[in-house]
Amino acid sequence: DAGVIQSPRHEVTEMGQEVTLRCKPISGHDYLFWYRQTMMRGLELLIYFNNNVPIDDSGMPEDRFSAKMPNASFSTLKIQPSEPRDSAVYFCASSLLKGLFLDTQYFGPGTRLTVL
Amino acid sequence: QKEVEQNSGPLSVPEGAIASLNCTYSDRGSQSFFWYRQYSGKSPELIMFIYSNGDKEDGRFTAQLNKASQYVSLLIRDSQPSDSATYLCAVNEGAQKLVFGQGTRLTINP
Repeated sequence: DAGVIQSPRHEVTEMGQEVTLRCKPISGHDYLFWYRQTMMRGLELLIYFNNNVPIDDSGMPEDRFSAKMPNASFSTLKIQPSEPRDSAVYFCASSLLKGLFLDTQYFGPGTRLTVL
Repeated sequence: QKEVEQNSGPLSVPEGAIASLNCTYSDRGSQSFFWYRQYSGKSPELIMFIYSNGDKEDGRFTAQLNKASQYVSLLIRDSQPSDSATYLCAVNEGAQKLVFGQGTRLTINP
């Protein structure tokens, strides 16, 4: 299996521009998570999906952030407009429900976003 | 917001010694506990999970859980330079979410 795939791996953009991050989960996994990691705040959950449906977006910092999962093999995280404080590494992870709890979350390689 | 606390380090351990990493959590209802390792510039990868009080061993790694004290630890025996990384403790929030600690940066000195 190829694992979780994210693109782009690096993104440099200017303040005010739209940024779209992409994720392909592991085939067969029914949960998808978007995280953001910074030195100051660590690894934070932004939003997660179950069977393509957003379940909890309480971690999305503000309305500039939006996420979609149009099908089981693709999700996007969009920031519009971007700001310098959005600079971080964004990880996508996927998992499978086993019994009552989720199995291991497998992380993608991340997208390093720099907003100038 | 559930909290997971870790000493950020850096923790420096000589090669061959035991490295001890600690984590406390705020939610008494938590039932699943995970240790992830993250090399610099890489993504987190799971190395251990534990659900029950006591110890769980996997090779050179031992996870210890004490629910009464809301404390989980990771011991790494015979530490190797390749163990140098940041170790993230994660605790479940409900059945589907994980809350991560800030991570402890571990350096193994040859």
